[in-house]
Amino acid sequence: EPEVTQTPSHQVTQMGQEVILRCVPISNHLYFYWYRQILGQKVEFLVSFYNNEISEKSEIFDDQFSVERPDGSNFTLKIRSTKLEDSAMYFCASSVTSGGPNEQFFGPGTRLTVL
Amino acid sequence: DAKTTQPPSMDCAEGRAANLPCNHSTISGNEYVYWYRQIHSQGPQYIIHGLKNNETNEMASLIITEDRKSSTLILPHATLRDTAVYYCIVRVKGNTPLVFGKGTRLSVIA
Repeated sequence: EPEVTQTPSHQVTQMGQEVILRCVPISNHLYFYWYRQILGQKVEFLVSFYNNEISEKSEIFDDQFSVERPDGSNFTLKIRSTKLEDSAMYFCASSVTSGGPNEQFFGPGTRLTVL
Repeated sequence: DAKTTQPPSMDCAEGRAANLPCNHSTISGNEYVYWYRQIHSQGPQYIIHGLKNNETNEMASLIITEDRKSSTLILPHATLRDTAVYYCIVRVKGNTPLVFGKGTRLSVIA
């Protein structure tokens, strides 16, 4: 069964460093998302991406964040200068554009720890 | 903010039906009820969705009241692997973001 994959599974970085989280969405999906979950808190939407541009973003997704689809398979989230409060699980998700329940398929997540 | 209210936790004996309630009294006519679950710290997993009719798939059944202000997710024969946080989400169909609340932590007990 096709699935969303994410790398790395765990990333440790120093405050102020740049990190790139990688995702490979399901191959025939065209909508991509990033969510995050701070330990013990709710899953929060960050950004959605379609047709090579951001379609929607939350207040969390400020200038420190960017997304990119550098090739036909990868979808990346870059945090330019990490802060302690960026420590969280980051989930990538993808969905088809039309038809069906439009459910979002989530990856296993990347645990980001900022020291 | 989430437009749904769920109990914070529930227990269920293994092999019995788990009935998870959700209130969504402000649901709009074009909004669907979606259910996801999150096992431990894994990515959320889609379970089922519905508009106004009851729905059933291989994972669960969804019962929506006639006034659509509440619904119940039913896991007919809960197993230990169903222990998870279950999220009830109201959204229009399409590719809109999912807005997660705190969900219900279901513990299936042997």
